[in-house]
Amino acid sequence: DTGVSQDPRHKITKRGQNVTFRCDPISEHNRLYWYRQTLGQGPEFLTYFQNEAQLEKSRLLSDRFSAERPKGSFSTLEIQRTEQGDSAMYLCASSLVISGYGYTFGSGTRLTVV
Amino acid sequence: AQRVTQPEKLLSVFKGAPVELKCNYSYSGSPELFWYVQYSRQRLQLLLRHISRESIKGFTADLNKGETSFHLKKPFAQEEDSAMYYCALNKGSTLGRLYFGRGTQLTVWP
Repeated sequence: DTGVSQDPRHKITKRGQNVTFRCDPISEHNRLYWYRQTLGQGPEFLTYFQNEAQLEKSRLLSDRFSAERPKGSFSTLEIQRTEQGDSAMYLCASSLVISGYGYTFGSGTRLTVV
Repeated sequence: AQRVTQPEKLLSVFKGAPVELKCNYSYSGSPELFWYVQYSRQRLQLLLRHISRESIKGFTADLNKGETSFHLKKPFAQEEDSAMYYCALNKGSTLGRLYFGRGTQLTVWP
């Protein structure tokens, strides 16, 4: 297990296109999180799962964003009809349910919408 | 509403000097606080969690509920401490959504 993996590392897309990102968490972790980070800001929460159940989704997230974790292992984040404002680093993290141990983050997927 | 404030966007010190990165929070319950660090070209990684009261790489942080603060301190900064530091808050007794501050970029000059 090499930690949390995200694919792709970079994505350039034209405005209006759909994009999908993948995250593979640490196998023992049953919680998986998606965050977005823009320049000069801390990570901003998008959504998180416990196993395959989506437990919380940010109210800031538009309907163009959807995430899945169908078998409780890897997760995908899809952005439909991308806009320039979607350009950001998309971070995935995983954790145990038990508090106190924090998240393990992936390296992120950098999205550029042109 | 819960909020994490890191008032300094940039902080510079010389090697060997003490360093303190400030973190204040607003939350009416009993929070759990973390410090994360991001070195150049590396992923975010956990540095400290208040529940463990440990010292990592010479850094310590004490949760002060009266002042609602969780400042990160190191008595003698090293060049390799140069990085982006984020303070984060967890609301519940289980780990869920984290609320992050905007981060402080620490530069330690030789």
